[in-house]
This record gives sequence, structure tokens and C-alpha cells, in this order.
Amino acid sequence: QVQLVESGGGVVHPERSLRLSCEASRFIFSNFAMHWVRQAPGKGPEWLAVISYDGNDKYYADSVKGRFTISRDNSKNTLYLQMNSLRVEDTAMYYCARGSFVSTGYNFDGWGQGTLVTVSS
Amino acid sequence: EIVMTQSPATLSVSPGERATLSCRASQSVHINLAWYQQKPGRAPRLLIYGASTRATGVPARFSGSGSRTEFTLTISSLQSEDIAVYYCQQYNNWPPLTFGGGTKVEIK
Repeated sequence: QVQLVESGGGVVHPERSLRLSCEASRFIFSNFAMHWVRQAPGKGPEWLAVISYDGNDKYYADSVKGRFTISRDNSKNTLYLQMNSLRVEDTAMYYCARGSFVSTGYNFDGWGQGTLVTVSS
Repeated sequence: EIVMTQSPATLSVSPGERATLSCRASQSVHINLAWYQQKPGRAPRLLIYGASTRATGVPARFSGSGSRTEFTLTISSLQSEDIAVYYCQQYNNWPPLTFGGGTKVEIK
């Protein structure tokens, strides 16, 4: 069973930075694309970014492009999300998720428990 | 960007009765659609992909149908443990991958 454990969330002022981590276990991490998905309180999930299994390909949602950077270290089975220039509207629970490629794109067949990011002055 | 719209926002169903949830895409996504269940304080869980294929371990009372722009998730006989918010997600045209706003299923 997929295990993903996020960390690094917290309370941060607007315009500051934060780095999230996601440690993976119980599957071969280097074989899978990985995603970050966030969920604001009372809202549906919002996909943020994907990184290919080898780290060579990355795609972002427009809402975070240029501010957030996804990366991975396959030797450490760890996924990262560097978040810069944080805004109040970035306040959300942040999940890492394993991507399952089906037909033309990804669904998410494993999720972490999430780490809460609160951006507030 | 493909916009996913779910209805109703809240669905009240008696135990043992059928629950029918709808999801509409702003343009065709063929059958490249997934459904998730999210219980309070928990991460979403994949239920259905390919519009109708149940994920591993998902009970047979959950079924998905539809294609192109109209999709349905059916819970054939609602159990108390099915109380949750259900989301659809398209993966036909991306980025971005997009989710609906959710349907909350509650016990009547």
C-alpha cells in the first residue's frame, strides 16, 4: 500500500517562502510521476504540479507557475515543493499524490495525509 | 481549461437507498474521468477511473458511468461509511488536471 508522508507546512507571512517535503515508501518511487495537489478549506482539490518519474519533465498550474517549483530526489524517495512569494490565497492543505497514468493523463491512486500551509500577516 | 461541474451540492439519502451523483465537463473528456471519496479530515481516495473501472478494493456498490461530458457515480445501497464528499476529476486535457466542486452525501 502506497505510503506518503508530507511535512514542512506551517504559518508564514505573505511574500515569504516555504519548502514542503513528501517521503514515499512501500512502492518503487523512481517508477512513478508525482504530483502536488492542494485543497483550500471547504473547497475542491486543486492540482498544482507534476514531475515525471526521472525529474526531467514538470508541469504547473497557472496559479503557481513561476512561484512554485516541484522537484524530487529518487535516492531519498522524496518529493519537494518549493513555494516562493506566498499569498494569502495559497492557504490550504497540501497533498502529495502518486500519479497513475491512464490513457491520456493522470489520476491519483495514492495520497499523503497532507500538510497545512497558512499564509497570514 | 476544462471546467468540471458537480450536482447536487448536497445529497440526502436514506440508508440502503440508491445515491446518484452527477458530474459534467465543459467539453468532452471521453472516458478519462475519475471519482474520489473524501471523508472528513482525510485525504481523497480513488474510487473509479476510466469513468467506470473500480479501483482496487472499492466495494461493488460503487459504480460509474458516462462518457464525453456527462458522468454519473452511483452508490447502489448507501451505507453509513459512505458519508463523504465525492469529487470527479478529468485527465483528458491537461495541464491542468481539474476537479469538480464536490457532492456531499449525507444520511437522511
